[in-house]
Amino acid sequence: NAGVTQTPKFQVLKTGQSMTLQCAQDMNHNSMYWYRQDPGMGLRLIYYSASEGTTDKGEVPNGYNVSRLNKREFSLRLESAAPSQTSVYFCASSEARYLEQYFGPGTRLTVT
Amino acid sequence: GQQVMQIPQYQHVQEGEDFTTYCNSSTTLSNIQWYKQRPGGHPVFLIQLVKSGEVKKQKRLTFQFGEAKKNSSLHITATQTTDVGTYFCAGRESGRRALTFGSGTRLQVQP
Repeated sequence: NAGVTQTPKFQVLKTGQSMTLQCAQDMNHNSMYWYRQDPGMGLRLIYYSASEGTTDKGEVPNGYNVSRLNKREFSLRLESAAPSQTSVYFCASSEARYLEQYFGPGTRLTVT
Repeated sequence: GQQVMQIPQYQHVQEGEDFTTYCNSSTTLSNIQWYKQRPGGHPVFLIQLVKSGEVKKQKRLTFQFGEAKKNSSLHITATQTTDVGTYFCAGRESGRRALTFGSGTRLQVQP
């Protein structure tokens, strides 16, 4: 099993450009999450999907959109990237909403 | 909103010394989880605590959940270089739908 996979691993964007971060899990988990990690600030939840067909805002949703494409896939879209969105983005999944989370390897995004 | 604070932010120990990180919440938590992130890696789940006063052990790691369910600690006995990384707690406030992560404690172990 690959667990949680994320693409791309690295990305550099110019301000105003858009992009979609992809995440997939092969553990048949119901819940999926997107976090951003900035130095010294831990992990902050952007959006999550408790189950297929539902999405909810987390702590820092502004500037992002998500799509739960099916049970396996959960994508994060930046419509108009800003330098403040420079960060490491982690996708995670869990069997149910309050159980342990399994994280992907992360996407390192730089917006210039 | 819910806040989860972790102290210290950073600790540097000699191999063989003990290490403790503390997690404190402004509100009562339904459960708390602990994760470890190695440098350049992703967070990896260590344990979940649910009951008031709960203590769990994993080899040299001891996890505690406070009686009031507002704080937790992780204690490592006789640190090894393989313990290097950042340790995060993540708590869920009763009635809320998601975890809130603390800012983490970075542990450096000198051989």
